[in-house]
This record gives sequence, structure tokens and C-alpha cells, in this order.
Amino acid sequence: KQEVTQIPAALSVPEGENLVLNCSFTDSAIYNLQWFRQDPGKGLTSLLLIQSSQREQTSGRLNASLDKSSGRSTLYIAASQPGDSATYLCAVEDSNYQLIWGAGTKLIIKP
Amino acid sequence: GAGVSQSPRYKVAKRGQDVALRCDPISGHVSLFWYQQALGQGPEFLTYFQNEAQLDKSGLPSDRFFAERPEGSVSTLKIQRTQQEDSAVYLCASSLGGTSGRRETQYFGPGTRLLVL
Repeated sequence: KQEVTQIPAALSVPEGENLVLNCSFTDSAIYNLQWFRQDPGKGLTSLLLIQSSQREQTSGRLNASLDKSSGRSTLYIAASQPGDSATYLCAVEDSNYQLIWGAGTKLIIKP
Repeated sequence: GAGVSQSPRYKVAKRGQDVALRCDPISGHVSLFWYQQALGQGPEFLTYFQNEAQLDKSGLPSDRFFAERPEGSVSTLKIQRTQQEDSAVYLCASSLGGTSGRRETQYFGPGTRLLVL
């Protein structure tokens, strides 16, 4: 059974720092991996989607990498801003077309 | 509408009551998903519709949970005889595609927070 783990559960950094969020999964047979942002009361927003054949995706200050063989993905946020404060979740799509989610990393950017 | 909407945003129910949660997907989106998110956890899949057809309901936790999408647009998740363990945020998402919809970006609504007392 696929399991997705995110470490750390919470992270607090000063504004302007670069940071990395980690996601690991137990079964490498995935179709894609997605990173989402969750703001209180506003639902989930898809940030990046990496197909299983890809190694990374970039969007603005965000860069996500995928290493299927080791079961790992990282989300790199450059030059962090207070507006980046949110919970970040990763999810993998398995062979049954279902998204399996991590519990998220709560990120706080201190002004 | 610009995005996925859900109503009500908050619902308090007494144990044993029936509740109905509504989801309005993005117009034209074929695929619709329901998820349950417990506090401090990631969402867990409940069920999936392609137009009006419920193609996967493997995530529904019990037969007290029922979902429908009769005209292929608005969907309703119904929970009968609510229990305290049903307390969670219920998220709805839609995506554009049909058979490939489950591999496309899903757009989420704000969720309905259900509290069962």
C-alpha cells in the first residue's frame, strides 16, 4: 500500500531564505506527483505537477524535483515571502488513479 | 463561476442526523472528486464521478455515505446517521478531462467543515 510522508511537519524560517520541503513515497509505481498549497478556509491549490517521466518542474520561485527510484520529491522555494506561509502537501497518483496524500508541512515565513 | 464552490461552508450536526453537502464544479469539468480531510492530515479519496457516472466509490468509509451527480454537474455527498468520527473537512475537486481526468490538475473547492456533536 502506497504511503506518503512529509518531513518536517512544521517549519518556520525568516523572510528571504531559500527552503526545501521533502516528500517521500513507498511505492515507485506512480503516474505523477503533485505539490499543493492549502490556505485556511480557501481549499487546495495545485502548484506543480511532475509526470513520472519527468525529473523536475518549475514555476516562478518554486522548483519541484522527482526521483522515482528513491521515492523522493523536494519542493524548493526561493527567496521566501510572508505570503508563502501555508501548508504544503504532496500527493502521488497511483495505478488505481487515486491521489495518495502526505499530511503536509506547515510553513511559516517570519517577516 | 470562477472556481469550485461548496456549501455549506460549516455544518454542525447532532449525532444521528443526516447531512447533505453540495459541490458546484467548474462549468464544463467532466471529472468530480470528493475527499475527506481529518484535522492535521492529508485528504483521503472518497469517490469519483465522470459526468453523472460514479466510477469509483472505493473510498467511502461506510454505507452511511452516499454521493450522486445526477445531471453531470452539481454533486451532493450525503451522510446518514452521522457519527462523531465523521467530523472532518469534506473537499470537492473537479478536473476538465474525462478518462484522462484523473491525471490532470484538480481544482479544489474551499471545503465544508463538518462537526458532529
